[in-house]
Amino acid sequence: SSELTQDPAVSVALGQTVRITCQGDSLRSYYASWYQQKPGQAPVLVIYGRSNRPSGIPDRFSGSSSGNTASLTITGAQAEDEADYYCNSRDSSYSHRVFGGGTKLTVL
Amino acid sequence: QVQLVQSGAEVKKPGASVKVSCKASGYTFTSYDVHWVRQAPGQGLEWMGIINPSGESTSYAQKFQGRVIMTRDTSTSTVYMEVSSLRSEDTAVYYCARDSGSSWLYYFDYWGQGTLVTVSS
Repeated sequence: SSELTQDPAVSVALGQTVRITCQGDSLRSYYASWYQQKPGQAPVLVIYGRSNRPSGIPDRFSGSSSGNTASLTITGAQAEDEADYYCNSRDSSYSHRVFGGGTKLTVL
Repeated sequence: QVQLVQSGAEVKKPGASVKVSCKASGYTFTSYDVHWVRQAPGQGLEWMGIINPSGESTSYAQKFQGRVIMTRDTSTSTVYMEVSSLRSEDTAVYYCARDSGSSWLYYFDYWGQGTLVTVSS
């Protein structure tokens, strides 16, 4: 099965831009999706496809992809963006999925 | 509106089984696959498997093959996940999540609130 690799922790100054990355072979073929999870809460979808945002997700969240790397960018990070972020993609089997290990984002 | 409502927390002894439910509403139950994802304390998200509520076909992550069974009841729009031979490492929050239904974009668009399963003697 595939693996997705994320940096364990990233920090950003309030109002600045931060990029969270996800690497894996499956990303050469399939888009990643991104989930935000705050303590004690269920994950929330923030980006899917090329750079699609579900209703209610601020436009400071965007996605991109190149080769085996997918990225989640937060432009003008806010205090409420402090959370864990997980990437996910399809595995080699059509119905299977795989998560990255997660990135803890700290907003300073 | 789409909702996935899970059953309440469980405490089980090692070797026992647990069955968690996930009741769907706000959409056509048989039109979207449902995934199960778990999260051990302080750890990341782990994909466990998928069920197609229409034909009840399932597929499991290799790690859970033989120990996890996913089923559904179309009369109540509920999917179930049963884990047998529980061990302490199975202590986790278990989530159900709806598949996007897209054939080329793979994502989970709605999540249940999570069910904490504690395995302790």
